[in-house]
Amino acid sequence: ETGVTQSPTHLIKTRGQQVTLRCSSQSGHNTVSWYQQALGQGPQFIFQYYREEENGRGNFPPRFSGLQFPNYSSELNVNALELDDSALYLCASSFWAPRTDYGYTFGSGTRLTVV
Amino acid sequence: AQKVTQAQTEISVVEKEDVTLDCVYETRDTTYYLFWYKQPPSGELVFLIRRNSFDEQNEISGRYSWNFQKSTSSFNFTITASQVVDSAVYFCALSGGSNYKLTFGKGTLLTVNP
Repeated sequence: ETGVTQSPTHLIKTRGQQVTLRCSSQSGHNTVSWYQQALGQGPQFIFQYYREEENGRGNFPPRFSGLQFPNYSSELNVNALELDDSALYLCASSFWAPRTDYGYTFGSGTRLTVV
Repeated sequence: AQKVTQAQTEISVVEKEDVTLDCVYETRDTTYYLFWYKQPPSGELVFLIRRNSFDEQNEISGRYSWNFQKSTSSFNFTITASQVVDSAVYFCALSGGSNYKLTFGKGTLLTVNP
């Protein structure tokens, strides 16, 4: 059983640039969520994808967008980067079906620094 | 709206001491799930436990135990005979029955000194 893998592990971008972060879900999982964790804070929910469609979103502006692919891998895109976007970005995958328990598996994250 | 409060920002103990991490939650959902995660310096969130709102039985897993009390909206986590390897940030989280997002507390940094 493979876990959740994220790439890259670290990234430095300049303010105003765009960035794409990638996540490969755990085998068998059909749902992927993205979280932003600022330094010293708990993770904050960005959005979730199920069957390639967004089905839940946190309090993040539209410049945060995502994709989920048929193989359940996912991308997080952030446009017009701001200094406050510097954070650890975590991807979590899970399997959803009616009357199933929730089980989230997290990746190790991508550390994004905006300068 | 859901909210998770971990009032203890940092705790420092000496190895072999017992330590309890507090978690208080708020939700209007009648069905919900509570979680504890461990985050070592590597960054990955390591799942420790999931408890649904209908199961108030306390749970013990080795040196770890959890005390769920609906009456006080608390889900506390105790480590018995702490070890240096327990040093990490611990997060309590809440998920509603009808959605999937996790609402995390701000975490408690536990340092276990030899």
